This record gives sequence, C-alpha cells and structure tokens, in this order.
Amino acid sequence: QQQVKQSPQSLIVQKGGISIINCAYENTAFDYFPWYQQFPGKGPALLIAIRPDVSEKKEGRFTISFNKSAKQFSLHIMDSQPGDSATYFCAAIWRAGTASKLTFGTGTRLQVTL
Amino acid sequence: NAGVTQTPKFQVLKTGQSMTLQCAQDMNHEYMSWYRQDPGMGLRLIHYSVGAGITDQGEVPNGYNVSRSTTEDFPLRLLSAAPSQTSVYFCASKTGYYNEQFFGPGTRLTVL
Repeated sequence: QQQVKQSPQSLIVQKGGISIINCAYENTAFDYFPWYQQFPGKGPALLIAIRPDVSEKKEGRFTISFNKSAKQFSLHIMDSQPGDSATYFCAAIWRAGTASKLTFGTGTRLQVTL
Repeated sequence: NAGVTQTPKFQVLKTGQSMTLQCAQDMNHEYMSWYRQDPGMGLRLIHYSVGAGITDQGEVPNGYNVSRSTTEDFPLRLLSAAPSQTSVYFCASKTGYYNEQFFGPGTRLTVL
C-alpha cells in the first residue's frame, strides 16, 4: 500500500518550460515533506522540503506548494533545464516511537528536451 | 568526509546463497536505514537503526537481517537469496528528525 501517491510516472518538458509533479497522502501523522532528486546510477539527494504549516517554499527554480486540507503537495520546476532531467521522488516523514520514518512516492522520470 | 559508502556496487547471487551488503558513514549520524528500489515502486524501507545496538523493521523486512554494533556501520544480510530480492539497495543516514537524509551510491543485486 503506497502511502504517498505520486503522478505522473513520467514527464517530458521543453527547455524553459514548467515541470509539475503532484503527490497526495492520507496519513495525517506525516509532518515533513521532502523531495528527492535522483540521477541514473546515483542515490537520491534532498532537493527541497516543507513542513505542513507552510503553504509554499521556494528555493531557486524549485517550489513546493502544499495544500494541507486537500492533503496534496506538488513540486514546480520553473525554467526547466536539460540538467534537471532525473527521477524525482516526493516523500513524507512521520514519527515512529523514537525514530522517524520516511516513505516515498513511486517517482517521476523527468526529461527536459532542447 | 566520504559520506555514506556502500560495497559492493554490483553483485550476482544464486538462489539460496547468503551475503552481506556493507554500509558505512563517517558523519557520526545516529540514524541509519536500508531501502530497496524497484521500478514503479519508489524506495521502500527494509530496516532502520536509531543508534548502536538498536534496530527495527521497516515496510519490507522479510528475508533481511541487520545489526548495528557501531555508529559507523550498518550491514544488511540476505539470509537465503531469492529472485524477488533482485533490486537496487540504498543505505542512508541522518541526524535529527528534520535533517537531511544522505544516501549512499547503491548496490545493484541480481539473484538468479
């Protein structure tokens, strides 16, 4: 059972365009929402993250929009570049006893064309 | 700092064989975890540890064993490999609840 649902599975965007990846969740115990970027042959790397008390967070060309009531959040990549071509994972963290657990969406493969 | 290191990078096993995937971090992180990545399924948590001597199960623990005798090392043991364990395995570490989780480069495992 996927606790974080991610769409689309793949995305092709022209250089300079906006890439949008959406995620939805059900578990209200989630209290932190990171996005990871993964290049082929590499491990995922943290891109940007947001807490649910914030509706938007921007870092350079990357923006997370968060809708707590709808339990949805999305990643927007402005002015997409070929170097942004990678797989993107949304994720959610919740507290499990003394630990925190991270659960991932299924990933979106982004291709930015010239 | 080397960050999170994993060995080997690639491994081929026969069904029924056992092996240990190694993971080490030099950042003094108390929290370490193992994930497997399969196409269309994202990354799924296998086991995690909140400190030396403390481990717990994640979403998909069956067929895997872990131990944490030191802060730096967190090996993952496959007890009797099965084709369903063919996957890419990632080790990760972090410190603090909201802090960034650092991933290793992965081990690609094929079980024939």
